[in-house]
Order: sequence, then C-alpha cells, then structure tokens
Amino acid sequence: DAGVIQSPRHEVTEMGQEVTLRCKPISGHNSLFWYRQTMMRGLELLIYFNNNVPIDDSGMPEDRFSAKMPNASFSTLKIQPSEPRDSAVYFCASSEPLAKKQYFGPGTRLTVT
Amino acid sequence: AQKITQTQPGMFVQEKEAVTLDCTYDTSDPSYGLFWYKQPSSGEMIFLIYQGSYDQQNATEGRYSLNFQKARKSANLVISASQLGDSAMYFCAMREGDGSSNTGKLIFGQGTTLQVKP
Repeated sequence: DAGVIQSPRHEVTEMGQEVTLRCKPISGHNSLFWYRQTMMRGLELLIYFNNNVPIDDSGMPEDRFSAKMPNASFSTLKIQPSEPRDSAVYFCASSEPLAKKQYFGPGTRLTVT
Repeated sequence: AQKITQTQPGMFVQEKEAVTLDCTYDTSDPSYGLFWYKQPSSGEMIFLIYQGSYDQQNATEGRYSLNFQKARKSANLVISASQLGDSAMYFCAMREGDGSSNTGKLIFGQGTTLQVKP
C-alpha cells in the first residue's frame, strides 16, 4: 500500500518564480495537511482540508501561498512569486476520518535562490 | 492558546539504556491528543505513539511508552533499550479535540535530537 506521495522531492528555483508542490494522499483518507519545516520556526501547519474543503488556512504565511484540493486524491501547494525565505521542507500528511494519527509524505525540499 | 514545549534540544544515551524525552503542553480544551513522531536524518516523519486525554492508561508501543501526567500537563516519551537506529530528532505534538471533535491540527514542539552512543 503506497503511502503519501509528494513530488518533486527536491526543487531549486530562482526568486520570483512560481513553485508548485504536489501531494497524493493515502486512498481513503479524507483529511489532508500541508506543513512547513524550517530551522527557525520548526514544523508549522500551513493549511488543512477535510473532504477536499479547506478548513483552516490560518497558517498560510502570505497571499503568495495558495493551496487547492480539486479531488480526494490530489492537492497542490503553490508559491507565487517565490522568495528565498520560502526555502524549507514542505510536508504533506493525510489521515482517515476520526483517525488518531497522520501519515506524512517524504517531504519536498525547496530551495529558492 | 495551545502550546508544546520540549526543553531538551539534545540528548545522549548509551546503547541498551533507557531514555526519557520531555514534553509539556498547554491547552484549555479538556479533550486533546498527544503524539510523538521520529524524524531520522533521512527526513521522513514517523509516527511513534499516541495518547488521548481521556485514556486511563499510559500508551505503549513496543519499546516506546508515554508517561502521561495530566495534572502536570506532561507527556514524556520513554524509549527502553536504546538502539543505534534510535538516533534521530523526536517531536512531541498535540491536537485539540479527540475522536469526532478533533480539529485535525497538529501543533509541534521544537524537537529533541537524540544520539545513541555505542
């Protein structure tokens, strides 16, 4: 059974460019979460979806960040335009309804130069 | 506001010994869940153990146990018989609400780096 799938695993881009991170949750999971991990701020929740609907986006840092979940098996996190301070590891996680634990993807390491 | 505190940035333990990683939390919600995740150098986040606020017994999962002291708002992770592969970063996390009332949001502590010495 495949776990949470994220792509790309590594992304290097120049400041000002658009970046799109992708996530495929585990089949049957109805909750999806986007986290960001940096040395300075640790692990932060950016946004999460229940049944494809965004529930809480209070962690999204700025309007440059947007996330979508067009269907139960796919989500994107977009940064436009990207800035060097966006460099981080971005994790996607999913969970079953009423589940006690979240399953994390391998993460996307983003470097903005 | 909910908060998770891990006061130990780094810990060392001798192989085969037990080690306790500290975690304290703050929440006004009577219903919550507490989690521990392991992050090895490869970067993935691995779920270790869960404790619900209403659980009567401390959670255990193999060599991992959670020392849950509700009145003190602490949820320390105990790793018994440490192995070299236990060297990693360990994160404590909390989710307000439990079961059908849970918010889904995990709030993480800053993490503790554990190094196991041979």
